[in-house]
Amino acid sequence: DGGITQSPKYLFRKEGQNVTLSCEQNLNHDAMYWYRQDPGQGLRLIYYSQIVNDFQKGDIAEGYSVSREKKESFPLTVTSAQKNPTAFYLCASSAVRFNSYEQYFGPGTRLTVT
Amino acid sequence: DQQVKQNSPSLSVQEGRISILNCDYTNSMFDYFLWYKKYPAEGPTFLISISSIKDKNEDGRFTVFLNKSAKHLSLHIVPSQPGDSAVYFCAARETSGSRLTFGEGTQLTVNP
Repeated sequence: DGGITQSPKYLFRKEGQNVTLSCEQNLNHDAMYWYRQDPGQGLRLIYYSQIVNDFQKGDIAEGYSVSREKKESFPLTVTSAQKNPTAFYLCASSAVRFNSYEQYFGPGTRLTVT
Repeated sequence: DQQVKQNSPSLSVQEGRISILNCDYTNSMFDYFLWYKKYPAEGPTFLISISSIKDKNEDGRFTVFLNKSAKHLSLHIVPSQPGDSAVYFCAARETSGSRLTFGEGTQLTVNP
């Protein structure tokens, strides 16, 4: 089955610790994205990557880091510099081709930092 | 600066009736628009999209209308079903690039 997997579903961390969220896709998509959702808010873009070994900051990149060493994988690290890390994190991917811009999402990871 | 806005946080509709979800945008460089449906604690699922060169796109019970002059799009669901109860996000793509800008979402509740 083709799709996007995120693990784990729920993650708990102590304040001051870095944590890495996993995102893997087997859709052969070139582009991958990380979003954050907070209650009552839409999806806000953290980082995105349109090709391996390249990525760009989204609208709320401060306190986060990413890598894109393989086409299938786009892990997100939430660092201790992120002031409000508790949120629902969503990973997505898309094929980069003309007139087809749908992004497909994983199931999400709920991160709680106390 | 919120470039994609969904002004109604919630909408309640009776089963069998039409649901109309609205979305406004400000960026004239948006050329492709999408609607997503999201259940709690799950990732959004793609519903339907429309290119800026069209004013209507239909897929089964779902129709999206685009009014470029008003910078407004809407999603019509007919007939509405209880399983349609979810949060609906509209999203827009700017000419060049693949990133999307999302609205805040509208919670649709379809009552049996």
